[in-house]
Amino acid sequence: AQTVTQSQPEMSVQEAETVTLSCTYDTSENNYYLFWYKQPPSRQMILVIRQEAYKQQNATENRFSVNFQKAAKSFSLKISDSQLGDTAMYFCAFTNFGNEKLTFGTGTRLTIIP
Amino acid sequence: SAVISQKPSRDICQRGTSLTIQCQVDSQVTMMFWYRQQPGQSLTLIATANQGSEATYESGFVIDKFPISRPNLTFSTLTVSNMSPEDSSIYLCSVYGGIGQPNTGELFFGEGSRLTVL
Repeated sequence: AQTVTQSQPEMSVQEAETVTLSCTYDTSENNYYLFWYKQPPSRQMILVIRQEAYKQQNATENRFSVNFQKAAKSFSLKISDSQLGDTAMYFCAFTNFGNEKLTFGTGTRLTIIP
Repeated sequence: SAVISQKPSRDICQRGTSLTIQCQVDSQVTMMFWYRQQPGQSLTLIATANQGSEATYESGFVIDKFPISRPNLTFSTLTVSNMSPEDSSIYLCSVYGGIGQPNTGELFFGEGSRLTVL
């Protein structure tokens, strides 16, 4: 079974700083997707960024980027120039190609301090 | 993409009662997923609902406790039966993109239904 581990239950940073959230996963598969989802206090889960395992290039979406280390099974999220609206729970998630189920990590509560 | 509406948004329920949560999607989808998020916890998949067949339940979840309907390709319901305080959670409906849309692996979520059982 696949597992996703987030070792940082809570983090806080000053506005405009850069923060990195950690995620490791365990799988025997070679083809899969990795995701970071954001859940703000309003509860709506929103996709932040996605990485296909076969792509060597790290995904980037504006201020959000990942450091994907396939051999180490590590998938960290970097948020640059953090903003107050980045305050949320962040979940790392995993799914195999062709497997519809998404496995979530335990989440990291990120607080951006004004 | 997909836009999901869930009802109710929140409810307070008495122990021993049952509540049905509705999930409406703005496009036709093959699979609909029901997740539970207990207070301060991550998301746990309850079951996968396919139109025209019985839902597939994950380990630890049973049909008698969480009956699911899937009458068409845009709608599903989840019932939480004989509720106890341990059922107090957020229940989320989610889908992949609509039929015919490229599968990017992204799940879309409703806003969730927060149930409090007294």
